Amino acid sequence: KQEVTQIPAALSVPEGENLVLNCSFTDSAIYNLQWFRQDPGKGLTSLLLIQSSQREQTSGRLNASLDKSSGRSTLYIAASQPGDSATYLCAVGSGGGNKLTFGTGTQLKVEL
Amino acid sequence: SAVISQKPSRDICQRGTSLTIQCQVDSQVTMMFWYRQQPGQSLTLIATANQGSEATYESGFVIDKFPISRPNLTFSTLTVSNMSPEDSSIYLCSVTRGTGETDTQYFGPGTRLTVL
Repeated sequence: KQEVTQIPAALSVPEGENLVLNCSFTDSAIYNLQWFRQDPGKGLTSLLLIQSSQREQTSGRLNASLDKSSGRSTLYIAASQPGDSATYLCAVGSGGGNKLTFGTGTQLKVEL
Repeated sequence: SAVISQKPSRDICQRGTSLTIQCQVDSQVTMMFWYRQQPGQSLTLIATANQGSEATYESGFVIDKFPISRPNLTFSTLTVSNMSPEDSSIYLCSVTRGTGETDTQYFGPGTRLTVL
């Protein structure tokens, strides 16, 4: 059974800092890995998707990496802003990618 | 991308009653997914709903408790039956768009359920 863990559970940083969120998974036979953002009272917003054959994906200030052999992914956020404050979830896709196993989430707060 | 709406956005219900949550997608999809997010927890997949067939439930979830309908390719409902306070959660529906490994899941805004 796939288990996904995220560290740290919560993080508070001053505006402008670069930061890294970590995600680890127990079964390396994944289809893909997706990073989401969840804002209070709202659904999830897809940030980045990394296919199993890829090592990283970039979108704006976000960069996600994937190391299947070690069962790890990182989400790098450059020059953090207060608007980045949210809970970040990683989810590992299996069963053709349709079945997602979610991590425990990292609650990020970026302070002025 | 996909535009997904859910109704209701939130509700407060009494123990022993049932609530039906609706999910509408802006275009046709083969599979729709229902997730539960209990307070302070991450998301757990309840079931996968295919049009024209019975939903497939994950371990720990049963049809009698969470009956699902999928009458067409853009709509699904999830009913939370005989509710107890332990059912207080956010319920989210999602769909997949893409091809193969690029399949991306998109989520609705969620339904926040409180059971008293």
